[in-house]
Amino acid sequence: EDQVTQSPEALRLQEGESSSLNCSYTVSGLRGLFWYRQDPGKGPEFLFTLYSAGEEKEKERLKATLTKKESFLHITAPKPEDSATYLCAVSRGSNYKLTFGKGTLLTVNP
Amino acid sequence: NAGVMQNPRHLVRRRGQEARLRCSPMKGHSHVYWYRQLPEEGLKFMVYLQKENIIDESGMPKERFSAEFPKEGPSILRIQQVVRGDSAAYFCASSARDGIFYEQYFGPGTRLTVT
Repeated sequence: EDQVTQSPEALRLQEGESSSLNCSYTVSGLRGLFWYRQDPGKGPEFLFTLYSAGEEKEKERLKATLTKKESFLHITAPKPEDSATYLCAVSRGSNYKLTFGKGTLLTVNP
Repeated sequence: NAGVMQNPRHLVRRRGQEARLRCSPMKGHSHVYWYRQLPEEGLKFMVYLQKENIIDESGMPKERFSAEFPKEGPSILRIQQVVRGDSAAYFCASSARDGIFYEQYFGPGTRLTVT
């Protein structure tokens, strides 16, 4: 069975304090690894898709990387508006069935 | 360019009643997915539909739950005879096509509370 484990469960940063979130996965034949952001009371917002080890993608203060066993979401100089739960998901075989981790709750204090 | 729309946003049902959750995919999207998020748990896949077809319902409970995506109109997730354990957030997602290069975009969710 596919498994996705995210760590830490919660992370509190000061504004400007860079850090990384981890997503480790166990899946046979990874097709894609997805990062989403979820604000309280809202649906997940798509951030990135990574398909192969060594791939990197960036968007504003966020950078996602992928290895054969895990993915990192690096947050550079975060701002309070980056506070949210960050979700990692994987797919294998057909792309449609996403298996999600439980998320990392990020709080950025001003 | 409207995103995925879901309604109602909040739904309260008494035990034994029926719940109907609606989802309109993004414009141009023909693939719909339903996920459930229970308190303290991650999102769990329930069902994948295309117009007039259920492609994969392996995540759906065997009883009381059904889904459809008719030729016209929104996708419907139907829960009959709701129980307290059905209380959760139900999210719909859509994609342009099934395939490796097409991401799923989520709606705002329907929060179902069973009293």
